[in-house]
Amino acid sequence: DGGITQSPKYLFRKEGQNVTLSCEQNLNHDAMYWYRQDPGQGLRLIYYSQIVNDFQKGDIAEGYSVSREKKESFPLTVTSAQKNPTAFYLCASSQPRTAGNEQFFGPGTRLTVL
Amino acid sequence: SQQGEEDPQALSIQEGENATMNCSYKTSINNLQWYRQNSGRGLVHLILIRSNEREKHSGRLRVTLDTSKKSSSLLITASRAADTASYFCATAFGGSNYKLTFGKGTLLTVNP
Repeated sequence: DGGITQSPKYLFRKEGQNVTLSCEQNLNHDAMYWYRQDPGQGLRLIYYSQIVNDFQKGDIAEGYSVSREKKESFPLTVTSAQKNPTAFYLCASSQPRTAGNEQFFGPGTRLTVL
Repeated sequence: SQQGEEDPQALSIQEGENATMNCSYKTSINNLQWYRQNSGRGLVHLILIRSNEREKHSGRLRVTLDTSKKSSSLLITASRAADTASYFCATAFGGSNYKLTFGKGTLLTVNP
């Protein structure tokens, strides 16, 4: 099956801890994205990567870090510097074309800080 | 602030009725997309309309785009209970075809 997977589905973190959220895709897409969604809100872009070994900050990158060592993988680390990390995190991938940039989303990881 | 804003924030209808959701945005766009999100799940792409298009259809979905008013509408005809979800518009603008800016969404409830 082609798709995008995220793990874990639920994650609990103690204050002061770093945690890493996994995102894997087998769609052969060049671009990958991380979004944060708070209750009743839209998605806000954290980081995105257009190609392997390259990534750019989105609108709310502070307190987060990413890597893109492989085309299939784009892990997100939520560091202790992120003051309010409790949220629903969504990973997406796309193959941008001149006609548009349809994004495919994973099922999400719900992070709760205890 | 976010580029797209959906209206209404919530909509409740009966099965078989049509549902219309609107999206307004602030700057010129390359394209506008609509996504659906079932509760606690990821988003699913529904339809994309380019800035030089005015109307697009996909099954029971009809999307219009009015660039002069900077607005778009999503019409779902003959709604079903399974259409219950949040619907988001997302815009691609500026020089980047990578970044999408999402609105806050419309929560649609279709009652059986």
